[in-house]
Amino acid sequence: AQKITQTQPGMFVQEKEAVTLDCTYDTSDQSYGLFWYKQPSSGEMIFLIYQGSYDEQNATEGRYSLNFQKARKSANLVISASQLGDSAMYFCAMRASGTSYGKLTFGQGTILTVHP
Amino acid sequence: NAGVTQTPKFQVLKTGQSMTLQCAQDMNHEYMSWYRQDPGMGLRLIHYSVGAGITDQGEVPNGYNVSRSTTEDFPLRLLSAAPSQTSVYFCASSYSGSGGHYNEQFFGPGTRLTVL
Repeated sequence: AQKITQTQPGMFVQEKEAVTLDCTYDTSDQSYGLFWYKQPSSGEMIFLIYQGSYDEQNATEGRYSLNFQKARKSANLVISASQLGDSAMYFCAMRASGTSYGKLTFGQGTILTVHP
Repeated sequence: NAGVTQTPKFQVLKTGQSMTLQCAQDMNHEYMSWYRQDPGMGLRLIHYSVGAGITDQGEVPNGYNVSRSTTEDFPLRLLSAAPSQTSVYFCASSYSGSGGHYNEQFFGPGTRLTVL
């Protein structure tokens, strides 16, 4: 069974500063994928970034980067230069390989609040 | 492309009523999934499908049925609604390929269901 743990129910950051959202995972699979999604107050799920378990480099997408530490089973999201529009719920999720492409296991989420 | 569409956006049911939540995608994705999101919790997988005619249970399947007769559509049926099924329901679809955004699950806008 797979498990995602997000230990920070809420985080606060000043505008233009960087923030790290924590995510640890547990799986016995060798091949898996890790995702971060953003859910603003409007409710939609917005894909941010993906990291494959065999990817040698940390994933980056604009202001988002994923700090992947495989041995520690962590996949923290780093948001640089925070903006007011980054205030939202953030979910870490995992997918196993093979026929599990349609299955994501989500953490409980972290609410990020960006202060001006 | 419309992406993933869900209808209705809101629904109120009485205990014991049945209804079908509709989900459609126009991206020719093989994989489709249904999740529910409850307050303070991440999304939990209800059912998923790896292609037309093939479905399987997720983490919380009780009280829900699915079928997939076409690649495009993946309806979720509540046979006898219960207050415990009050939730926000998300449908998602994804490619079966590997690498980068091919792994992304595309989410619909969600259906907010209240069972009285």
